[in-house]
Amino acid sequence: DQQVKQNSPSLSVQEGRISILNCDYTNSMFDYFLWYKKYPAEGPTFLISISSIKDKNEDGRFTVFLNKSAKHLSLHIVPSQPGDSAVYFCAAIPSGSARQLTFGSGTQLTVLP
Amino acid sequence: NAGVMQNPRHLVRRRGQEARLRCSPMKGHSHVYWYRQLPEEGLKFMVYLQKENIIDESGMPKERFSAEFPKEGPSILRIQQVVRGDSAAYFCASSPTRGGGNTIYFGEGSWLTVV
Repeated sequence: DQQVKQNSPSLSVQEGRISILNCDYTNSMFDYFLWYKKYPAEGPTFLISISSIKDKNEDGRFTVFLNKSAKHLSLHIVPSQPGDSAVYFCAAIPSGSARQLTFGSGTQLTVLP
Repeated sequence: NAGVMQNPRHLVRRRGQEARLRCSPMKGHSHVYWYRQLPEEGLKFMVYLQKENIIDESGMPKERFSAEFPKEGPSILRIQQVVRGDSAAYFCASSPTRGGGNTIYFGEGSWLTVV
């Protein structure tokens, strides 16, 4: 049972344009959501997070939007840069747990110069 | 990823051998998490440990896998009698307290190949 889903395995975007990565979840008990970026042969690097009590969080070129009623979140990167090319993982943390992360399967973003 | 040290980075084992993966958390961090990433999949939680205690091992396979985080030294993920399906990237993460948000830092990973 995949509780966090990233339905697009890949996305290509032109440099300078907006990249939108999507994530859906099924568990209503998730109260914190995170996005990680991962390069090949490296560990995940934290990008941005959002609490379930908010609907938007912004940090520089990265903005995360949360739609709780739709159980959907998205990561916007603008403007996209070639160095953003990586696999992006959505992750969620349920309330009251030991705070382990549940990850989606990832989306490979390619930013074309 | 700075600070969480994993070794070895790459490990090749024959079927039936044992694999030991080590993780030294960031300085000052007393909480360690192990995750596994199978090819073409996302990371899956395995186990959460504090010093000398296993807090949550709900993601660990029931057989052949064990983890420890002793009072002194690194956390160790041990896989006995490895099979081809154990081939994966194993990531360790650490946090200063019960992890949440950006307080969870990942290591570079250990890639296990079973031949």
